[in-house]
Amino acid sequence: QAVVTQEPSLTVSPGGTVTLTCASSAGAVTSGHYPNWFQQKPGQAPRALIYTTSNKHSWTPARFSGSLLGGKAALTLSGVLPEDEAEYYCMLFSGGVQVFGGGTKLTVL
Amino acid sequence: EMQLVESGGGLVQPGGSLRLSCAASGFTLDDFAMHWVRQAPGKGLEWVSGISWNSANKIYADSVKGRFTISRDNAKNSVFLQMSSLSAEDTALYYCSKDIYVSPGRGMDVWGRGTTVTVSS
Repeated sequence: QAVVTQEPSLTVSPGGTVTLTCASSAGAVTSGHYPNWFQQKPGQAPRALIYTTSNKHSWTPARFSGSLLGGKAALTLSGVLPEDEAEYYCMLFSGGVQVFGGGTKLTVL
Repeated sequence: EMQLVESGGGLVQPGGSLRLSCAASGFTLDDFAMHWVRQAPGKGLEWVSGISWNSANKIYADSVKGRFTISRDNAKNSVFLQMSSLSAEDTALYYCSKDIYVSPGRGMDVWGRGTTVTVSS
């Protein structure tokens, strides 16, 4: 099974913009990997944000967007709020199974 | 409101077995694939297993293949995870999640709150 890699941690200022990425050891990430992004805050279940690369769920705030960038999946947060501080996980469909990345701890400071 | 409620977790000895259940409500279960995802204490998310709407397609992570079995009963709005040959490495919070499609792969939208499995003597 492929290994999915994310930045371990990132820091952003309130109101700023940050991009989290998601890479696969199997090669370039494409739309065929159906990239998903999830947010998890301490003590809570994960919350789905983005599915199939760039589609938002009905509850996903407009400041979150997904894309493919340089062979990776990317999650961009624009106009970051303090409440966006959380762990973010990407997930790919690779080799017939789902694989999560290790997560990115986003600090809003 | 779509909701998933997991149950069946607990303390089990190494080598033992446990059956987790996931009760779905607020949507038609047989329209969607379903998954189990786990999270060891202080660690990240690990996908465990997925099952298609009609049970024809079942997929597993290498770490549980041959030991865990996923199943579903659409008539009872439930999904199950039978776990055997458990070891300390299986200790985790186990989440049930709903896929956005009939077959596993395209992603999850709804998640339960999880049920805790502790493997210890």
